[in-house]
Formats: sequence, C-alpha cells, structure tokens
Amino acid sequence: NAGVMQNPRHLVRRRGQEARLRCSPMKGHSHVYWYRQLPEEGLKFMVYLQKENIIDESGMPKERFSAEFPKEGPSILRIQQVVRGDSAAYFCASSPPNLADTEAFFGQGTRLTVV
Amino acid sequence: DAKTTQPTSMDCAEGRAANLPCNHSTISGNEYVYWYRQIHSQGPQYIIHGLKNNETNEMASLIITEDRKSSTLILPHATLRDTAVYYCIVRPDNYGQNFVFGPGTRLSVLP
Repeated sequence: NAGVMQNPRHLVRRRGQEARLRCSPMKGHSHVYWYRQLPEEGLKFMVYLQKENIIDESGMPKERFSAEFPKEGPSILRIQQVVRGDSAAYFCASSPPNLADTEAFFGQGTRLTVV
Repeated sequence: DAKTTQPTSMDCAEGRAANLPCNHSTISGNEYVYWYRQIHSQGPQYIIHGLKNNETNEMASLIITEDRKSSTLILPHATLRDTAVYYCIVRPDNYGQNFVFGPGTRLSVLP
C-alpha cells in the first residue's frame, strides 16, 4: 500500500506564474488535508476536502489559492500569480472517512520556490 | 478546540527513554490526543493516539492521566534518528475536524 504521494517534490516558479501541486491519497482514503510550512515556521492548516466537496477551507488565503479533490484523480492545490511569499513547503495528508479516531498520513511535501 | 502546551525543547541521551509531556487542561470528553513528529523538513509522521487508556505501539507509548488533562509520549530507547519536532494535538471526533499543529517540542537525542 503506497503512502501519500505528492508531486512534484520541488517546483520553481517565476513571480506571476501558476503553481499546481498534486496529492494522491493512500488507497481507500477519501479525505485530504493541505498544510503550508514557511521556512523555520510551523505547519499551518489550509484546507480539508473529501471527494468533490470542501469540508473546511478556513485556512486558505482568500485570493489566488484554490483546492479541489475530484471524483477521479489526485487532489490539486492551485496557486495563481505566485509571489515570493508563497515560497514554502506544502504538505498534504489523507485519512479514511472521518471516523471517530482515524489518523492522517502525510506525504513528503512539495517545496515551492518563487523566483 | 482544546489547546496544548509543550516544552519548546528537550534533550535526551541516546539509548535512554525520552519522555515528552503535553498539557491539555481544557480537553473535552470527545477529543483524542494525537502525536506526530517531523524529522528535519520531511512530512509529519504519525506516532500514536488515544482517548482515555494508555496506548503502546512499535514506536512509542502514550500515557494519559486519569483526568485527561495531560499526557506523556514515551520513546523507550531513543536513537539519534529520533531527533525531531514532536507535536501533541487534540482533535474532536466530530466530523470535519482537521489536525491543528502547535509549535511542538524540539527533541535532540545526544550521543
């Protein structure tokens, strides 16, 4: 059973370009979480999705950021018109349907560098 | 959601037990205690979780006090590879709850 797969592992974008980060959850997991970690800082929650539905997007910046988890395929975190401040590590995690005590498993992250 | 308080940093000698405390004095009856760790800049790694009873797995033991206001993660024989930031998280079992990470404890295992 493969773990949570994120790609690309490293992504370089120029200011103003779009960044697309992909997350394939573990087999059987229908819930995905996205977190951002700025250099030397903690993990900040961004968005929580299940297939075709956003459960909680309270941590998402109001502009330029969007996330989806379609019925088929990976979850996508999209950042439009990237700025230098978007440079960070982006981690996704997946879990089974949210039963009482299910743990989430994390991928190895995508390191986004905006130049 | 209940908040957690952890020491900023701790040291532990290699081969000895590492005991990492966590205070969660406002924890509710339906909130689980989870522990994760992050080694360098890798993705967080799940360690263990529990509700009321003590738990043990191949990585660690989790001791939760009877009043559930605090807990301790125990790594029985710490190795250099256990050097990491350890996060204690309380999470309700209601639908739609994410994992909220605090600053954690930076554990340094010393040779």
